Amino acid sequence: GAVVSQHPSWVICKSGTSVKIECRSLDFQATTMFWYRQFPKQSLMLMATSNEGSKATYEQGVEKDKFLINHASLTLSTLTVTSAHPEDSSFYICSARDTGFSSYEQYFGPGTRLTVT
Amino acid sequence: AQSVAQPEDQVNVAEGNPLTVKCTYSVSGNPYLFWYVQYPNRGLQFLLKYITGDNLVKGSYGFEAEFNKSQTSFHLKKPSALVSDSALYFCAVRDSNSGNTPLVFGKGTRLSVIA
Repeated sequence: GAVVSQHPSWVICKSGTSVKIECRSLDFQATTMFWYRQFPKQSLMLMATSNEGSKATYEQGVEKDKFLINHASLTLSTLTVTSAHPEDSSFYICSARDTGFSSYEQYFGPGTRLTVT
Repeated sequence: AQSVAQPEDQVNVAEGNPLTVKCTYSVSGNPYLFWYVQYPNRGLQFLLKYITGDNLVKGSYGFEAEFNKSQTSFHLKKPSALVSDSALYFCAVRDSNSGNTPLVFGKGTRLSVIA
């Protein structure tokens, strides 16, 4: 099946610094990638939808200047948390949609645990 | 608008007993329905999906789900629960007519299988 990787799997950073999370589709091309955030014991909250070569579409309440999303190629999307604060600590999960025939499928990365101290 | 409801925050079942995790959905068109499982500090693992065809869908690890259009439900079932099935389960939906929109998730149901 299709594989989505995320790097890093976990990261600890100091308050005020920026952190970049990479999401890659390893064996398929993904025109569209989605970024979700998950708080402990809660569901996945969609943050933004990114389409290759265009600006990301952010969900209401998500600060686009704080959560910078770049989708420069069909296999890579990045999420940069700028000037991170402890409240940004969370589990971030990316998801990619195959541009091929099974376009209803979404494949999920293993997630990145961000801890801001 | 699309939405998913998982009415139970927690389901407890004894090992060897059948289990059911409930899910109802709301879409304007035809639904694409999915179940995922999440273990602590891990990403989502795909269990099964309903796109079209037979209402009874069989998936990974002995799980199955039945699509019921009249009740707008897609309950997850397993005939005999294992302790290793203990995890967080998410139901998700997407409207087949919604273009390139993402999956919408329920709030999750925590399954605890007791030995």
